[in-house]
Amino acid sequence: NAGVTQTPKFQVLKTGQSMTLQCAQDMNHNSMYWYRQDPGMGLRLIYYSASEGTTDKGEVPNGYNVSRLNKREFSLRLESAAPSQTSVYFCASTLGQGINSPLHFGNGTRLTVT
Amino acid sequence: GENVEQHPSTLSVQEGDSAVIKCTYSDSASNYFPWYKQELGKRPQLIIDIRSNVGEKKDQRIAVTLNKTAKHFSLHITETQPEDSAVYFCAAPTYNDMRFGAGTRLTVKP
Repeated sequence: NAGVTQTPKFQVLKTGQSMTLQCAQDMNHNSMYWYRQDPGMGLRLIYYSASEGTTDKGEVPNGYNVSRLNKREFSLRLESAAPSQTSVYFCASTLGQGINSPLHFGNGTRLTVT
Repeated sequence: GENVEQHPSTLSVQEGDSAVIKCTYSDSASNYFPWYKQELGKRPQLIIDIRSNVGEKKDQRIAVTLNKTAKHFSLHITETQPEDSAVYFCAAPTYNDMRFGAGTRLTVKP
């Protein structure tokens, strides 16, 4: 039982490059989330998927797209990376379809855009 | 949307002392309040949570109190140990988003 698995762990991009962050959970959770964490700002929601087949914007969605591939997998895509997207990205999941139960986080992806 | 304010941003205590971290929230409909601990370079992990139908919850050396009228909740750690050193985040929900406080860096000095 691996929980929430994110890949890659580290990535360096040049401005304008694209990449996809992968996330998979094996807990049969319904809802999945992508957060970014910047120093002094806590975690901010980028996109979420309350159930398979649905996605919605969070607090800071600009510059990102997501795909809920199936119940297990939720990917985050940066189409044209910018230095402002340098951050640590966390995928999370929760059993319910509302945000009223514990979030289970992956180990994070540290992204640097130069 | 929900705003979550967390204080203090840094806290240094002597081993064995107590530590208290406070959070306020704005959405009166919020009904679930978790606390996460994040060690350096690691993922956030839930340490305790409370729902709005109770005022206090304890788990060994950790407790959380909730005042729904005043819209604030607090984390209390007693008999602190060096392994309690980490960043602690409070959070409160708004619709389908969990809004996090900016974090408190707790240092426990041996």
